[in-house]
Amino acid sequence: EPEVTQTPSHQVTQMGQEVILRCVPISNHLYFYWYRQILGQKVEFLVSFYNNEISEKSEIFDDQFSVERPDGSNFTLKIRSTKLEDSAMYFCASNDLTGIGNTIYFGEGSWLTVV
Amino acid sequence: RKEVEQDPGPFNVPEGATVAFNCTYSNSASQSFFWYRQDCRKEPKLLMSVYSSGNEDGRFTAQLNRASQYISLLIRDSKLSDSATYLCVVPGGGFQKLVFGTGTRLLVSP
Repeated sequence: EPEVTQTPSHQVTQMGQEVILRCVPISNHLYFYWYRQILGQKVEFLVSFYNNEISEKSEIFDDQFSVERPDGSNFTLKIRSTKLEDSAMYFCASNDLTGIGNTIYFGEGSWLTVV
Repeated sequence: RKEVEQDPGPFNVPEGATVAFNCTYSNSASQSFFWYRQDCRKEPKLLMSVYSSGNEDGRFTAQLNRASQYISLLIRDSKLSDSATYLCVVPGGGFQKLVFGTGTRLLVSP
């Protein structure tokens, strides 16, 4: 079964450093997302991306965050200057809108620990 | 009212029991609803979609009450492997944005 893959699975970084989280969405999907989940809290929407541009973003997705699809397969989330409160699991997701309902497929996540 | 609200639990049940979770949502215009399952430190996985009054898949039944704006998930004949957190999810409008509840934790014991 096709799946969304994410790297790294876990990253530890120092406060103030830049981090890039990478995702390979399912190949025929057109819509891409990043969500995050702080430990013990709910999953929160960050951003959606379609046709090479951001289609929607949440209040969390401020100027320190950016997304990019540098080639035909990768979808990246960059956090420019990490803060302690950025420590969370970051999930990439994708869908094609032609699947069953609005099924969104999540990757296994990237754990980010900011120290 | 919060966008999506769930009882966090945990619900502790023995194997074979029937357990039900409720979820309330605030956006009366929502047309589709979802239950996701999340294991500890894993990604959410779609369990069921609900578009009309309800949906049944094996031991799992989801029901929707639009008038009262709540969705329920019923699990019959609980298995140990059902132990997980069950997330109520509602579209938040726009491009497929999903709004997640905090989840209800289920622990099934032998």
